[in-house]
Amino acid sequence: DTGVSQNPRHKITKRGQNVTFRCDPISEHNRLYWYRQTLGQGPEFLTYFQNEAQLEKSRLLSDRFSAERPKGSFSTLEIQRTEQGDSAMYLCASSQGGNKETQYFGPGTRLLVL
Amino acid sequence: RKEVEQDPGPFNVPEGATVAFNCTYSNSASQSFFWYRQDCRKEPKLLMSVYSSGNEDGRFTAQLNRASQYISLLIRDSKLSDSATYLCVVNPWITGGGNKLTFGTGTQLKVEL
Repeated sequence: DTGVSQNPRHKITKRGQNVTFRCDPISEHNRLYWYRQTLGQGPEFLTYFQNEAQLEKSRLLSDRFSAERPKGSFSTLEIQRTEQGDSAMYLCASSQGGNKETQYFGPGTRLLVL
Repeated sequence: RKEVEQDPGPFNVPEGATVAFNCTYSNSASQSFFWYRQDCRKEPKLLMSVYSSGNEDGRFTAQLNRASQYISLLIRDSKLSDSATYLCVVNPWITGGGNKLTFGTGTQLKVEL
């Protein structure tokens, strides 16, 4: 399968623990995006990378959140000291760039913080 | 005011019906527009892009009215398999920046026998 992949697909953790998610984009895509989706809402933008450079972060991304894309390929999203409000689906998308690009989404990581 | 507004539904329609969804957006500088489909507990998938001239893909027709900042999706001859949430998506693309898609909350469609 050459689509966007995300791991793990599900994560249950206790409040205060750290979690890390991984996204593998479509191989020739240079842009990678992270979004968060809560129940009954559409996805909300968190951050994006152009190759290995993180170019923008949303106000939603508190200092407990950090994202990396060290070699311009896969990306990780880490949440430190998780809170119950972090429970959501974390979606990764990739694209080839351009002003009318199409973003392709991965299956998401569903996080539940107890 | 939300950046992208949609009626959450649900829209319950019989098989074969025609159904229309509407969406309004607040950022007049928005550059591109899309409809994504999302099945329950799955990721969003691109249904179609929306162009100023309007565009059609089989049973699906999308329209854009920039003056009114309004986007629509028409589904003809609806099928049971069309049951899903339809997300209106706007890209305010800024020169040199990325494409931070802004999603509506989605409109839920249920097609019934």
